[in-house]
Amino acid sequence: DIVLTQSPGTLSLSPGERATLSCRASQSLASDYLAWYQQKPGQAPRLLVFGAGASNRATGIPDRFSGSGSATDFTLTISRLEPEDFAVYYCQQFGSSPRTFGQGTKLEIK
Amino acid sequence: EVQLLESGGDLIQPGGSLRLSCAASGFTFNTYAMSWVRQSPGRGLEWVSAINGGATATYYTDSVKGRFTISRDNSRNTLYLHMNHLRVEDTALYYCAKPPHDYQDYPFEHWGQGTLVTVSS
Repeated sequence: DIVLTQSPGTLSLSPGERATLSCRASQSLASDYLAWYQQKPGQAPRLLVFGAGASNRATGIPDRFSGSGSATDFTLTISRLEPEDFAVYYCQQFGSSPRTFGQGTKLEIK
Repeated sequence: EVQLLESGGDLIQPGGSLRLSCAASGFTFNTYAMSWVRQSPGRGLEWVSAINGGATATYYTDSVKGRFTISRDNSRNTLYLHMNHLRVEDTALYYCAKPPHDYQDYPFEHWGQGTLVTVSS
């Protein structure tokens, strides 16, 4: 199975700052298929970006969210944090089965 | 509007069986692959199983192979997960999930609210 390791475990930032979240895969992902999700307490995960290099935004996702990366190293960037962006973020790979998830990065208000 | 509504979660003893359901609406159900994903504090998010639109192909994570069976009734727009020989480690919130396009089984754009399965004696 492909193991996804997210870092940091917790990221403390202030609204208006830029957030950079990392997801590293144990093997190179076929077709660079990775997705990022946001999850708030009591809610299901919400798809943010996906596709080759995780560069395509899902419907209704603001353009402050962007994904990049290839092979084994991927990044989710939130250009300017809004109060509603503080949540837990997960990456998931679709390069091979099983479709594994990372363990999550908690983005908290500083 | 896409809606996914899971049901069937319960408190069950180890070794028991349970059937989860996911009622779907707002899209052409029989053209989309569907998946089950579970979440627990100890194991995080875990993809469990997937089935294609025509129910001719099914996929499972290793830990549930031989114990869980995914199925669907396209006439009822309903997805199922039949769970046998349940273990304590199967305790989780179970979500059904749908991809954004009908030509892929990923990623998961639409999720239900989840149904809780607790396996405990």
